[in-house]
Formats: sequence, C-alpha cells, structure tokens
Amino acid sequence: EIVMTQSPATLSVSPGERATLSCRASQSVTTNVAWYQHKPGLAPRVLIHGASTRASGIPARFSGSGSGTEFTLTITSLLSEDSAVYYCQQYNNWPPWTFGQGTKVEVK
Amino acid sequence: QVQLQESGPGLVKPSQTLSLTCSVSGGSMSSGAFYWSWIRQQPRKGLEWIGYIYDSGNTHYNPSLKSRVVMSVDASKNEFSLKVKSVTAADTGRYYCARGQFWFANWGQGTLVTVSS
Repeated sequence: EIVMTQSPATLSVSPGERATLSCRASQSVTTNVAWYQHKPGLAPRVLIHGASTRASGIPARFSGSGSGTEFTLTITSLLSEDSAVYYCQQYNNWPPWTFGQGTKVEVK
Repeated sequence: QVQLQESGPGLVKPSQTLSLTCSVSGGSMSSGAFYWSWIRQQPRKGLEWIGYIYDSGNTHYNPSLKSRVVMSVDASKNEFSLKVKSVTAADTGRYYCARGQFWFANWGQGTLVTVSS
C-alpha cells in the first residue's frame, strides 16, 4: 500500500499570501495524484487531478505540480474562504487508492 | 451538476451490519458509464477508500475491508449501497459516497456512523 505523507499538518497564513502544501508518496505514483478541499459539514471538492490539471470550475489561484513521489499544491492570493483541510490522493497503485492525512490551512 | 446524499442509521451495534445508501440526483445513473465509490473517515484519521462499483455491478474493494464489504447499485432508483458486516468500534466514522473510479469528482456531505452497544 502506498503511503501519502502531507506536510505541514497545519499552515497559518494571512489573506493575500501564498500557501504551499506538500505531499510525498512512499513510491512513485507518476502523476496520478488528486487534491481535495474539505470544509467542515460540506462535501469534499476536487481541486486538481493528474497532479496539475485543475478540475472544472476551480479558480486559477489553485495549482498543482510534481511527479514521481513529490507533489505540491499552491494556493496564491489566499482568501478567508480557502480555510479548509486539503488532502492529496494517489490513484496509481491499487488496491487501494490512498489519501494523505491532510493539511489544515487557516487564513487569518 | 450531480449531487449525492448518504442515508442510513447513525448507530449500529457491534457485530451487526452497517447499511448505507447513496442517492444520486442531477443526472441519471443509467445515462453513462460511471463508477461509484465509498470513502470513510475514522475519528482523528485520514480518508480511507472502501471501494467502488461500476454501473454493471462490477466491484473492487479495499483489501483491508474486502471480506466484510458488499456494494450494490440500483440504477432504476438512482442509488447505490454499502454494507459492512460484523462491525466493531473501529468502523465508527463518517462515510462518504462519491462519483469516480480513480479520483472523485463529486462527493456527498457524508453521514456519521457510530458503532456502539
């Protein structure tokens, strides 16, 4: 089973700044990585798939990069509404598909 | 826009079967070839993929749960279901249904299931 390790666990940033979230896979997953945003009480929302392809309707402030074992989600010009937990997920080696533990982003 | 909504008992006794249903709206399950997944989040843990079912009824499950999980689909009712047998406290968590085979384009809000006597 591939282990996805996210860092940092919590990230506190000011509005308008940039947030950089990392995700490391225990072995290569090529570019088969997705990123999700999850706010309390709401359905998780896919942001990125294929490591760098924005999902439909996702603002350009969200961008993904990486391949192999190292991946990054970058959020520029942070808004208060971006406060959420962000998860990475690999879908290269299965079963099973696996998720990271999440990074909590606080915008304040 | 496809919307999903989970439903089912919030409390299940140990050793019994957890049964959840996911209702799909905003589109017919019969209109395309889609995969439908279940994902859960145990307390203080990350997300865990449980498995998926294809429109045809073909299934693939997480090996860690495979012996206890059964998924089914009823396209005529626009819903699909999850059963987890012989539950323990470790099965407590929030259960999500989602559309997708590899990555998950649409999710429900989740339903909280507690396993307790």
